[in-house]
Amino acid sequence: AQTVTQSQPEMSVQEAETVTLSCTYDTSESDYYLFWYKQPPSRQMILVIRQEAYKQQNATENRFSVNFQKAAKSFSLKISDSQLGDAAMYFCAYRSRSGGSRLTFGEGTQLTVNP
Amino acid sequence: KAGVTQTPRYLIKTRGQQVTLSCSPISGHRSVSWYQQTPGQGLQFLFEYFSETQRNKGNFPGRFSGRQFSNSRSEMNVSTLELGDSALYLCASGRESSYEQYFGPGTRLTVT
Repeated sequence: AQTVTQSQPEMSVQEAETVTLSCTYDTSESDYYLFWYKQPPSRQMILVIRQEAYKQQNATENRFSVNFQKAAKSFSLKISDSQLGDAAMYFCAYRSRSGGSRLTFGEGTQLTVNP
Repeated sequence: KAGVTQTPRYLIKTRGQQVTLSCSPISGHRSVSWYQQTPGQGLQFLFEYFSETQRNKGNFPGRFSGRQFSNSRSEMNVSTLELGDSALYLCASGRESSYEQYFGPGTRLTVT
């Protein structure tokens, strides 16, 4: 079974600074997808960024980028130029390429952005 | 395009009762998945439906069931509610041709 671990329950960053959230996962599969979701106080889960395991290039979406290290099974999220609206719980998630749409989530990291 | 909708948004039930939650996916999405979110257990996968068939099931007791209709709308049912069933229930939908899933706002269930 796949597992996802986020070792940082809480992180804080100053507005306009950069922060990196960590995620490691365990799987015996070679083809899969990884995601970062954001859950603000409204509880709406928002897809932030996605990575396909067969792609070596790290995904980037505006101020959000990932550092995907397949051999190390590591998938960290970097948020540049942090904004107050980035404050939320961030979840790392794994999805196998086969076997449907099931997502396995990490425990989450609560990000605080200080003005 | 409208997002995933879930009804009701909030629900209070008494232990022993049953409850039905509804999820309408994004138009064109045929996959619907359900998750339970609690402070203690985090986000846990309940089940997934695709074209009216359950494709995946998580490790939950038989009191939790679901179904999907021909228009892709899905319902989940919890019978004989327990206090531990109090949670945020999230629904997500996706296209078969895409690996991305989009979540609804959730239904907050409180069991007293």
